[in-house]
Amino acid sequence: GAVVSQHPSWVICKSGTSVKIECRSLDFQATTMFWYRQFPKQSLMLMATSNEGSKATYEQGVEKDKFLINHASLTLSTLTVTSAHPEDSSFYICSARDGTDYYSPLHFGNGTRLTVT
Amino acid sequence: EDKVVQSPLSLVVHEGDTVTLNCSYEVTNFRSLLWYKQEKKAPTFLFMLTSSGIEKKSGRLSSILDKKELFSILNITATQTGDSAIYLCAVEANSGYALNFGKGTSLLVTP
Repeated sequence: GAVVSQHPSWVICKSGTSVKIECRSLDFQATTMFWYRQFPKQSLMLMATSNEGSKATYEQGVEKDKFLINHASLTLSTLTVTSAHPEDSSFYICSARDGTDYYSPLHFGNGTRLTVT
Repeated sequence: EDKVVQSPLSLVVHEGDTVTLNCSYEVTNFRSLLWYKQEKKAPTFLFMLTSSGIEKKSGRLSSILDKKELFSILNITATQTGDSAIYLCAVEANSGYALNFGKGTSLLVTP
């Protein structure tokens, strides 16, 4: 089945620094990937839709200059949290589907737990 | 505005019990409804439902969709402690293909 790999699985950084999270589709090509954020005991909230070769589409309330998304190839999307602050601490999860299969479900990476100190 | 509502929000049962989790939704241009199980990490896929009345089954888990009444149920029979997790319901619309998640049902199965 479709496999989505996300790296790193956890990261601790200091306030003001930037952190890059990678999301790869391992055995399929993904023209679109989705980035979600999950706070403790809450559901997944869509942050942005990453489109290969074009600009990402951000959900209302998500700062595009703070959460930089790059989808440079059909198998890789990156999310960079710039100038991180403690309130950015969260669980970030990427997802993608095999676009060649209309009924393929979204598959998720294992997530990245970000802690900003 | 698209909406996904799950109930109950939390549930505690004994091993061997049968549970039914509910998901109701409102979405424009419905494409599919999906169930995921989330333990400590990211959600793992359980079922994808696109047609009404057709039960999907995998071992002790089963799910069915009612597109007229706009809801789905997830059944787990003969529950085991390993079934303890958060079960997420998500709905997908034709536009954008992103998933809109409910808040989840937190299930705890006690020995």
